Amino acid sequence: DIQMTQSPSSLSASVGDRVTITCRASQNIRNYLNWYQQKPGNAPKLLIYAAVSLQSGVPSRFSGSGSGTDFTLTITSLQPEDFAAYFCQQSHSIPLTFGGGTKVQIK
Amino acid sequence: VQLVQSGAEVKKPGESLKISCSGSGYRFSNHWIAWVRQMPGKGLEWMGIIWPGDSDTRYSPSFQGHVNISVDKSLSTAFLQWSSLKASDSAMYYCARRMGMAVPGTRDYYYYMDVWGEGTTVTVSS
Repeated sequence: DIQMTQSPSSLSASVGDRVTITCRASQNIRNYLNWYQQKPGNAPKLLIYAAVSLQSGVPSRFSGSGSGTDFTLTITSLQPEDFAAYFCQQSHSIPLTFGGGTKVQIK
Repeated sequence: VQLVQSGAEVKKPGESLKISCSGSGYRFSNHWIAWVRQMPGKGLEWMGIIWPGDSDTRYSPSFQGHVNISVDKSLSTAFLQWSSLKASDSAMYYCARRMGMAVPGTRDYYYYMDVWGEGTTVTVSS
């Protein structure tokens, strides 16, 4: 199975900050990488697919980069509604696997 | 486009359970349906997927033999089933549509879960 390692597991930031979350795959997954946001009590929501493609309706302050084994989710100017948990997920091979998650909290 | 899941369940250890996920607003038979577990306060775990067109099913090794994924395409509904629940099955269970987008110049697809159900809470307690 492909292991997905996210860092940090949590971070504290202020509104307006630039936030970067990283995700590392245990083997080359090319750009088969998705990012999801989950707010408490809600289902996950797709943000980014194929490592860099923004899902329709997602604000442009979210962006993804990377390929191979190292990936990044960036929020350029954190908004109050962005405080949530973020998960990466590889779609390269079955079993699909998720990173452990990053909780973005208010500083 | 939406996926609507069945309501919360409270069961005793050893009991059986079948929860459902009904799709609408799109051609249900043409997209994989995935099931994802989230234990309290924990991350997301992929359980398996099913192709409604022919019931082709793939399981995570972590869940193979512990659950059964099925579908009734005439009802546009997928199911997740346990024959004998354990306390450790207590969790939130999500279904999601697995969308595929062709990778240019290849026969491969980018897959991602673009529509999610609201989740079904399963509580197993004596």
